[in-house]
Amino acid sequence: GAGVSQSPRYKVAKRGQDVALRCDPISGHVSLFWYQQALGQGPEFLTYFQNEAQLDKSGLPSDRFFAERPEGSVSTLKIQRTQQEDSAVYLCASSLAAVMNTEAFFGQGTRLTVV
Amino acid sequence: SQQGEEDPQALSIQEGENATMNCSYKTSINNLQWYRQNSGRGLVHLILIRSNEREKHSGRLRVTLDTSKKSSSLLITASRAADTASYFCVWGKDAGKSTFGDGTTLTVKP
Repeated sequence: GAGVSQSPRYKVAKRGQDVALRCDPISGHVSLFWYQQALGQGPEFLTYFQNEAQLDKSGLPSDRFFAERPEGSVSTLKIQRTQQEDSAVYLCASSLAAVMNTEAFFGQGTRLTVV
Repeated sequence: SQQGEEDPQALSIQEGENATMNCSYKTSINNLQWYRQNSGRGLVHLILIRSNEREKHSGRLRVTLDTSKKSSSLLITASRAADTASYFCVWGKDAGKSTFGDGTTLTVKP
C-alpha cells in the first residue's frame, strides 16, 4: 500500500482481555515505531524496531505490553490483561532510514477503549 | 512534560494572519521535526531541521532552531482554515526513539 496501515481502527476490550494491534509499514522501510497517545496529549514512545530487531523497548509501560516484528515487516503490539489506563490511540510509524532520526510516516492509529 | 514543552497550548487566529509556535526541549539532539495532526489525515511530517542548521523554510513554513537555548519555533505565514490542527515538535538524538512535545492546538477562523 501507499502508506502505513493499522488494524483494527477501533477496538473495545473488556478489562482483563488480551488485544493485538497490527501495523503494516511502508514496504522497504527499515525502522518501525509504536507510540501511545492519550486524549489531548502528544504521542509517547513505546518501542522501536530496526528490521526484525527490537532495539529499544524503554517506553513499554509494563510487562503486559509486548511487540514483535518477526520478519522485519508487519508488526504486532500485544497488550495482555488490558486495564482502563491502557485506553488510548496506538500509533505506528515507519521510516526508511536505519541510522538517524528522519521523517517518519504514521498510520491512522488504533483507538483502544477498555471498559 | 518532563521532556519539553510547547507554547502556547492553544492559539486562535484569523485566516491570513501568521501563527507562531514555540518548542523547548531538554536533551541534546541530532535534529528536530515538526508534525501536524488533525482528525482527517492523522500525523503528517512538515519539516526537519538538523542540529547544525539555524533556520529552514518550506513553502509557508519557517522553522528556527537554537541549540544553545534548546528551543525551536514554527512560523506559519498567511494561515488558512485548512491549517487548523495540532502541531507537535519532535526531537531525537539516537537512532530510533523520538520524543514529542505536548503540542499546540491552532484554530484558524475563516
